[in-house]
Amino acid sequence: DIQMTQSPSSLSASVGDRVTLTCRASQNVATNVNWYQQISGGAPRLLIYASSTLQTGVPSRFSGSGGGTDFTLTISSLQREDFATYFCQQTYYSTWTFGQGTTVEI
Amino acid sequence: QERLQQSGPGLVKPSQTLALSCTVFNASISSGGHYWTWIRQYPGKRLEWIGYIYYSGVTYYNPSLRSRVLISVDTSKNQFSLNLSSLTAADTAVYYCARVGAVVGIRYFDLWGQGAQVTVSS
Repeated sequence: DIQMTQSPSSLSASVGDRVTLTCRASQNVATNVNWYQQISGGAPRLLIYASSTLQTGVPSRFSGSGGGTDFTLTISSLQREDFATYFCQQTYYSTWTFGQGTTVEI
Repeated sequence: QERLQQSGPGLVKPSQTLALSCTVFNASISSGGHYWTWIRQYPGKRLEWIGYIYYSGVTYYNPSLRSRVLISVDTSKNQFSLNLSSLTAADTAVYYCARVGAVVGIRYFDLWGQGAQVTVSS
């Protein structure tokens, strides 16, 4: 299986901060990477698909970039409702896999 | 508004079979264009993809679970289901159903059910 490794595992930040999360694939996954947000106790929510496309309804402070093996999710100005866990996912290979998550804490 | 509603037991005994269902509201499974999928999340928050089904009945499963998994679809009920057999405590997790969208062949999970905590214990 393709391993998706996220870093850091957790980070502390403040409202208004610019935050960058990274995800590295163990093999080339082109741009077949998606990002999800999970607020404690809830289901994951799609934020970004195809590496950089913002899902409908997601605030523009979220952005994604990358290709091949290295990907980033950036929150340009952290809001209180953004404190959550973020997962990357690859759907390039037939067995779809997720990263272990990055928790953004106050 | 489109939504997925999950149902099924929260407690299952070891060696038994888990049966979960996911009903689709305000969208039609039969319209095609989407796969329908199951994912689980372990207590430590790790996510594992289980498998997917198309409305025609075509399936694909995670090889790690293939021997124990069956995903089926009932278009008359606009519903798809997960059966996972030979349960052990290691199958304890929150189970989610989701819709698989796609753009230029890139797939993503754009609509999720509310999740169901499943505990395997005698």
